[in-house]
Amino acid sequence: KAGVTQTPRYLIKTRGQQVTLSCSPISGHRSVSWYQQTPGQGLQFLFEYFSETQRNKGNFPGRFSGRQFSNSRSEMNVSTLELGDSALYLCASREGTEGNQPQHFGDGTRLSIL
Amino acid sequence: SQQGEEDPQALSIQEGENATMNCSYKTSINNLQWYRQNSGRGLVHLILIRSNEREKHSGRLRVTLDTSKKSSSVLITASRAADTASYFCATARSGGYNKLIFGAGTRLAVHP
Repeated sequence: KAGVTQTPRYLIKTRGQQVTLSCSPISGHRSVSWYQQTPGQGLQFLFEYFSETQRNKGNFPGRFSGRQFSNSRSEMNVSTLELGDSALYLCASREGTEGNQPQHFGDGTRLSIL
Repeated sequence: SQQGEEDPQALSIQEGENATMNCSYKTSINNLQWYRQNSGRGLVHLILIRSNEREKHSGRLRVTLDTSKKSSSVLITASRAADTASYFCATARSGGYNKLIFGAGTRLAVHP
C-alpha cells in the first residue's frame, strides 16, 4: 500500500496570505489527524477527522481549519498567515478511531512564512 | 502543551552500544507509543504499549511502562548508524478521543 501522501512538500508564503495543505491517507484508513511541529513548541495536535466530521480539536486559533472528503482525503487551511505559523505540518492516518491503533505519518509540508 | 518529557534531550553513542531513552507523562493514559523521526521526514511508529502492559519487545527495541511512576523507557540494543534520529514518546489519554500528546523528543546520534 502507498503511504500517507502530503502535498506540497515545501511552501513559501508571506504574512496575511492563506494556504491550503493536502493529505491523502493510506487506502482504507478513515481517520486523519493533523499536527504542527516547530522547534519551540514541538509536536502539537491540530485536529482529527473521521467520516468527514471533526472529532477532536487542539488548542489553535480559528485561523486553522480543516475538512475531510468522502474519499477520506483531508485538507487543512490556515488564513491570515503569521510568522509564527512557519512549521512542519504533519498528517497522520489510521484505519478507525480505536485508541490502540498506531498513527501512520506522511513526510509533512514545510511551510515558511516571510 | 506537551504531556511527556523525554530525557536525555540528546544522546551520542558508538555503534554497537545500547541506547536508553526515558519518557515521563502527567495524566492517566490508555497507551504510550514511541515514534522515530529522521531529519526532514515524518514520524515512523515503532511500538505501542498499553496501560496494562509492563514490557514489550520488537526486534532490537525493548519498551517498559511504569504507570505508578508515569514513566516509560525504550532500549535500543546493538545500535547502528541508521538508528540516528529523533525519538518521541506519545501518549493517548484515557477517555480521550484519539489525540496523541507528544514529548519533546530525544536526539540520538550513533557514530560508526
